[in-house]
Amino acid sequence: AQKVTQAQTEISVVEKEDVTLDCVYETRDTTYYLFWYKQPPSGELVFLIRRNSFDEQNEISGRYSWNFQKSTSSFNFTITASQVVDSAVYFCALISSGSARQLTFGSGTQLTVLP
Amino acid sequence: NAGVTQTPKFRILKIGQSMTLQCTQDMNHNYMYWYRQDPGMGLKLIYYSVGAGITDKGEVPNGYNVSRSTTEDFPLRLELAAPSQTSVYFCASSYGPGRGHTEAFFGQGTRLTVV
Repeated sequence: AQKVTQAQTEISVVEKEDVTLDCVYETRDTTYYLFWYKQPPSGELVFLIRRNSFDEQNEISGRYSWNFQKSTSSFNFTITASQVVDSAVYFCALISSGSARQLTFGSGTQLTVLP
Repeated sequence: NAGVTQTPKFRILKIGQSMTLQCTQDMNHNYMYWYRQDPGMGLKLIYYSVGAGITDKGEVPNGYNVSRSTTEDFPLRLELAAPSQTSVYFCASSYGPGRGHTEAFFGQGTRLTVV
């Protein structure tokens, strides 16, 4: 079985603060893929990043960065200098290449950025 | 390129009625998924398919049925609608392990209310 845990249900920050969203995953497979999605108030799901289990390099894209650590089974997401437009629900997701073959989502973190 | 198209966008059903939520994708993806998202909650997997003619149950399959007769289409059937099925339904598709489990593309969602 596989599982994704996002322990932070809600986070509130003031604009320009940095914020880190945590994601912890469980899988028995050695080959797997991790994703982050954003769901703004309008409701659609927006893909942010994909990472495979063999690539532990951290990634930075503008104000967004991701820290993948296999040793702690974590794939955390940091927004630097947050903006009001970053307010959304953020989901971490996992799919394994083994028998599960299901794209499993965490419960999401509601991020509110206050002006 | 339309991506993933879901119809209808909104629907109100009476208890005991049946309906089919349509989902079609034009990206030749082999994997397709149906999720439901209850208010303020994460995405729960209802059914998924790894190719035409193959479907599997997800986390919450009771009260639903699916079929996958073609690569493009993955309809979700609700039999005997119940208030507990009031939710937003998302269809998604992706490439499977042959192309490294690419990110899932999501439809715009169907908001279903059962009264």
